[in-house]
Amino acid sequence: DTAVSQTPKYLVTQMGNDKSIKCEQNLGHDTMYWYKQDSKKFLKIMFSYNNKELIINETVPNRFSPKSPDKAHLNLHINSLELGDSAVYFCASSQDSGLALRDTQYFGPGTRLTVL
Amino acid sequence: GESVGLHLPTLSVQEGDNSIINCAYSNSASDYFIWYKQESGKGPQFIIDIRSNMDKRQGQRVTVLLNKTVKHLSLQIAATQPGDSAVYFCAEKEYVGGFKTIFGAGTRLFVKA
Repeated sequence: DTAVSQTPKYLVTQMGNDKSIKCEQNLGHDTMYWYKQDSKKFLKIMFSYNNKELIINETVPNRFSPKSPDKAHLNLHINSLELGDSAVYFCASSQDSGLALRDTQYFGPGTRLTVL
Repeated sequence: GESVGLHLPTLSVQEGDNSIINCAYSNSASDYFIWYKQESGKGPQFIIDIRSNMDKRQGQRVTVLLNKTVKHLSLQIAATQPGDSAVYFCAEKEYVGGFKTIFGAGTRLFVKA
């Protein structure tokens, strides 16, 4: 019954590797997001997609590439992982187009990425 | 600029007392503010929101106050319970071709039994 789900929950990998995090929402929402939360709990948006179309693309290294095969899925692929990529990554979704001011976001449980 | 910050990183309260979590923002054009609760090991969860044309909004045991003059936002939790222990974030929305949610640094609330 999980509304927004992410896999894996934990990911430990070596520097230089390529990894993916998957996200799925079963809420029928049109917009999905990726956030990064650092060790100090600071939460910052990375990307948002509306109906598979990129809306927001923050200043994120191009090693990070989001992929949206359909509006229920938004995966995050990371190439050439670096130590500084270690963080918790949260997927979220919202009902509207992302153009509505009052558009509540629902977050997934997070993926803790550790780069060694 | 985009800056949403919090006055205190941690807050410890006795069970049953009221909690007040404060937040300052810098963008006077901000039109919409949200409070989120993040429990350990989970994603943030929406608590309550407020638009800039209001100065107070109440939910179940929670009240958000907005003071636009000093660009200050607060979350009040009545009769704090152990289940309220979490990190609380204030956030604002900024329009950049779509609405982007900007989160503050977070305040950790500890509830003592």
